[in-house]
Amino acid sequence: EAGVAQSPRYKIIEKRQSVAFWCNPISGHATLYWYQQILGQGPKLLIQFQNNGVVDDSQLPKDRFSAERLKGVDSTLKIQPAKLEDSAVYLCASSPRTGEDTQYFGPGTRLTVL
Amino acid sequence: SQKIEQNSEALNIQEGKTATLTCNYTNYSPAYLQWYRQDPGRGPVFLLLIRENEKEKRKERLKVTFDTTLKQSLFHITASQPADSATYLCALDTNAGKSTFGDGTTLTVKP
Repeated sequence: EAGVAQSPRYKIIEKRQSVAFWCNPISGHATLYWYQQILGQGPKLLIQFQNNGVVDDSQLPKDRFSAERLKGVDSTLKIQPAKLEDSAVYLCASSPRTGEDTQYFGPGTRLTVL
Repeated sequence: SQKIEQNSEALNIQEGKTATLTCNYTNYSPAYLQWYRQDPGRGPVFLLLIRENEKEKRKERLKVTFDTTLKQSLFHITASQPADSATYLCALDTNAGKSTFGDGTTLTVKP
């Protein structure tokens, strides 16, 4: 079974530029999560999708971050414009359904904002 | 406010000993708690899940306890090996599937 795929693995941009990350969850998984992990900290949930609907985006900085999950499969996370404090690893995870389910994480995208 | 604290950022032990990691929480009523392992440059990997009505869970050399009165979970690795060296994260979960992670404890097992 293929795992969660993410791209790119690394990205370096200047502040105020835009960036997008892509995630392909495990086939058949209904729930998809985006996390931000700052160095030395645990993952922080940004947004949670159930199929193509948003379940929780309470910690998503909506003035600059956006995410979509068209057709309930792949997802993209965008930052526009980026700030220095957005430097972090962005992790995508999926689970078969919402509720008591293990999350399967991708390798993450390491973003550096200069 | 809700808070999750994992014991000291780093834990160093000798090979063969038992590693004990702590996860304490406040202002939270989790339905269940999970432990994950994270290696450098990789995403977290699930290890064990324990529900609020369970006291203990075991899997091979791993054991997790969950005390909702003390608001604490302990994670034990017995007969530790250098390959167990990694960062271990605890995550508290509600029934809505929303996970809140601690900042992790980095375990180093020395040969």
